[in-house]
Amino acid sequence: NAGVTQTPKFQVLKTGQSMTLQCAQDMNHEYMSWYRQDPGMGLRLIHYSVGAGITDQGEVPNGYNVSRSTTEDFPLRLLSAAPSQTSVYFCASSDGQGVFSDEQFFGPGTRLTVL
Amino acid sequence: QQQVKQSPQSLIVQKGGISIINCAYENTAFDYFPWYQQFPGKGPALLIAIRPDVSEKKEGRFTISFNKSAKQFSLHIMDSQPGDSATYFCAATYFGNEKLTFGTGTRLTIIP
Repeated sequence: NAGVTQTPKFQVLKTGQSMTLQCAQDMNHEYMSWYRQDPGMGLRLIHYSVGAGITDQGEVPNGYNVSRSTTEDFPLRLLSAAPSQTSVYFCASSDGQGVFSDEQFFGPGTRLTVL
Repeated sequence: QQQVKQSPQSLIVQKGGISIINCAYENTAFDYFPWYQQFPGKGPALLIAIRPDVSEKKEGRFTISFNKSAKQFSLHIMDSQPGDSATYFCAATYFGNEKLTFGTGTRLTIIP
């Protein structure tokens, strides 16, 4: 099993550009989520999904879109990048019990810089 | 609103010493408290977790102490080793809540 994979590892964008951060898992997990990690702020939830076709907002959803067309994939879209979105982004997945499960797996992260 | 407050922000401990990281929470509905460990350039990984039906949980050199009345929980790393140098995050949630609330993290450095 590859676990949770994220692409790209690094990305530099100019203000106003759009891009999609990819996340995939091969563990047949129902629950997937996106976090951003900023110094002194910990991990903050952007969006999450409890299954294919179902998504919901987290703590900091503004400026980001998600969709969940398959169990395996959960892409995060930045429609018009802003410098405030410079961060490290982590995708995570867990089994049907969601975050209450002991099995929350994180991907390796995408480091995004917006100039 | 920060529902889980973590301290200290950074910690330096000598090899063989005890590392202690503290967290305090506000929401009395929280009933699941995991700790995550993150090495540089990697994603966080679950280290140990506790539910409030017990006051302590131990796994090897790692122990969670839980004080429900004070709404506090802490991570103790006994006989700290250089390989324990990492960032540690506490977190909290409750059954039926699909969101995990993280603390701000503690960067732990173990020196020889």
